[in-house]
Amino acid sequence: GEDVEQSLFLSVREGDSSVINCTYTDSSSTYLYWYKQEPGAGLQLLTYIFSNMDMKQDQRLTVLLNKKDKHLSLRIADTQTGDSAIYFCAETPGGGYNKLIFGAGTRLAVHP
Amino acid sequence: SQTIHQWPATLVQPVGSPLSLECTVEGTSNPNLYWYRQAAGRGLQLLFYSVGIGQISSEVPQNLSASRPQDRQFILSSKKLLLSDSGFYLCAQILAGGTDTQYFGPGTRLTVL
Repeated sequence: GEDVEQSLFLSVREGDSSVINCTYTDSSSTYLYWYKQEPGAGLQLLTYIFSNMDMKQDQRLTVLLNKKDKHLSLRIADTQTGDSAIYFCAETPGGGYNKLIFGAGTRLAVHP
Repeated sequence: SQTIHQWPATLVQPVGSPLSLECTVEGTSNPNLYWYRQAAGRGLQLLFYSVGIGQISSEVPQNLSASRPQDRQFILSSKKLLLSDSGFYLCAQILAGGTDTQYFGPGTRLTVL
């Protein structure tokens, strides 16, 4: 079936790197996404990676994809207090109408 | 650019009352539109999607329904709300072509008492 799993909580010190991990089950996923949700707000697309890529870097964000292990990670360099939010991993399983399967979200807390 | 409007932003309704949440989108014509629900402390669950006017597909059987009366309007409804309908409702549209990325509206927080 379709399932995406994430750890629920991560606490890091300001200035350190954060690594949020995600595992998924559908090997036919074309794209995998990371969304950010700040308190009381909707979801903001952070970045995405195409399934034939291993890595994608976008400023402070680095996405690593291990298709063999169906493992996706998001690394945030030089984490700031403004990065405190819930981060959702999502995949688009095959099906033709592009629905997203989300993980439960990882709450990132950044402390001084 | 993709702009998605949702209203109301927050809503408190008694059990058994009706519901109507509206989503309107700007940008490309004939977008794929989606309704998701996020229960407290949980991830997002796809409720409905629509590929065109009058075309609605349901992912999860429940007491909710959806309609798409116009190309860029997507409505979520219920005749009688349950306590379990409380949550954060998000409308999304897909940017056709390229990455098929879904863009989300600001959401409606519904509390059923």
